[in-house]
Amino acid sequence: DQQVKQNSPSLSVQEGRISILNCDYTNSMFDYFLWYKKYPAEGPTFLISISSIKDKNEDGRFTVFLNKSAKHLSLHIVPSQPGDSAVYFCAANLSGGYNKLIFGAGTRLAVHP
Amino acid sequence: DTEVTQTPKHLVMGMTNKKSLKCEQHMGHRAMYWYKQKAKKPPELMFVYSYEKLSINESVPSRFSPECPNSSLLNLHLHALQPEDSALYLCASSQATGPNSPLHFGNGTRLTVT
Repeated sequence: DQQVKQNSPSLSVQEGRISILNCDYTNSMFDYFLWYKKYPAEGPTFLISISSIKDKNEDGRFTVFLNKSAKHLSLHIVPSQPGDSAVYFCAANLSGGYNKLIFGAGTRLAVHP
Repeated sequence: DTEVTQTPKHLVMGMTNKKSLKCEQHMGHRAMYWYKQKAKKPPELMFVYSYEKLSINESVPSRFSPECPNSSLLNLHLHALQPEDSALYLCASSQATGPNSPLHFGNGTRLTVT
């Protein structure tokens, strides 16, 4: 059973508009969440993270929102650029212990001119 | 350029072969990881090394044997693999061993077992 779910396999957005990628999780013990971006033939690259004690974290064009009661997080990219076209993975970690990321299935974002 | 280097980029091996995947990082990170990613699936954790000691083995079959010779190197020894083991094998490292330390991934080794 998937503990981290990205229900949209793909998303298409026009350049300059907002991209919103969504992620749901089932394990209430998760307390640290990350987004990774992956280009073809490359490994995932860390993008942004959020701790469960926060509901928002912002880094330039990227903002992650966390709604703990709904077990939902989202990544907003504003404005979207063609170079943002990639697969985006949501990942979650349990509190304490070792770094044991659990990834969602990914959403392929296409930003077109 | 990725700061985690994996070699080779591609590997084709028969089911009776023995081969090794190599991973190197020079960021002074204290934890290193092996992940496996099948097509259109998320990366799945295989092993975690913390301070050069094996901390997590996610019930990986013994035909996969990890080794951490020093803090900068991580190997994955392969023997008697099956065609279903064909996948992208990703190495990663993190500065700290705890869950709040983001992973830095290499570009992976694309393994094909024939």
